[in-house]
Amino acid sequence: EVQLLESGGGLVQPGGSLKLSCAASGFSFDMHAMAWVRQAPGKGLQWVSAIHAGGAITYYADSVQGRFAISRDNSENTFYLQMNNLRAEDTALYYCAKVLGTSNWVFDSWGQGALVTVSS
Amino acid sequence: EIVLSQSPATLSLSPGERATLSCRASHSVRSHLAWYQQKPGQAPRLLIHDASNRATGVPARFSGSGSGTDFTLTISSLEPEDFAVYYCQQRTDWPLTFGGGTKVEIK
Repeated sequence: EVQLLESGGGLVQPGGSLKLSCAASGFSFDMHAMAWVRQAPGKGLQWVSAIHAGGAITYYADSVQGRFAISRDNSENTFYLQMNNLRAEDTALYYCAKVLGTSNWVFDSWGQGALVTVSS
Repeated sequence: EIVLSQSPATLSLSPGERATLSCRASHSVRSHLAWYQQKPGQAPRLLIHDASNRATGVPARFSGSGSGTDFTLTISSLEPEDFAVYYCQQRTDWPLTFGGGTKVEIK
């Protein structure tokens, strides 16, 4: 059974940093691209960032480009989202998601989410 | 950026009725469209990928159709557990984008 477990969420002041982790199990982690998708309170889904299986190729939404960095450690079956210079509008529930196939770019498994609140 | 517009915003139906949800793309996404279901307090669940392919374990009452810019998710006969919010998502171009969602509520 695929399991994705996020950690690292919390309350941070504007301009601060936070690092989310997503621990994966139940599938061949090093064969799948992975992604982060967020959902602001009461709002819809927004894709944030994605990373290929090998980790060399990454993608970012314009709203986080230059502030967020996605990475992965295939030896630990874990991937990360380093978030810097956080803004109030980054407040959301951050889901980690597994990509269908190697790089189909749809998400067939999701974690339960890590809440990030940016407020002074 | 490819913008996905979902309609209607809210669909009020009774159990047993047929639900038809629409997703329209600002540019062609070929058949690279997926549908997700999200219930309150839960993560989204993949229903359909590549316009018409049901994901593993998804009941046959869910079906998807369309290509290019116009897509439809049909639920043939609503079950009580189907009342939820549904999102479409395109994977043709970066950034990946989602539609704003359609809420299917009990009438």
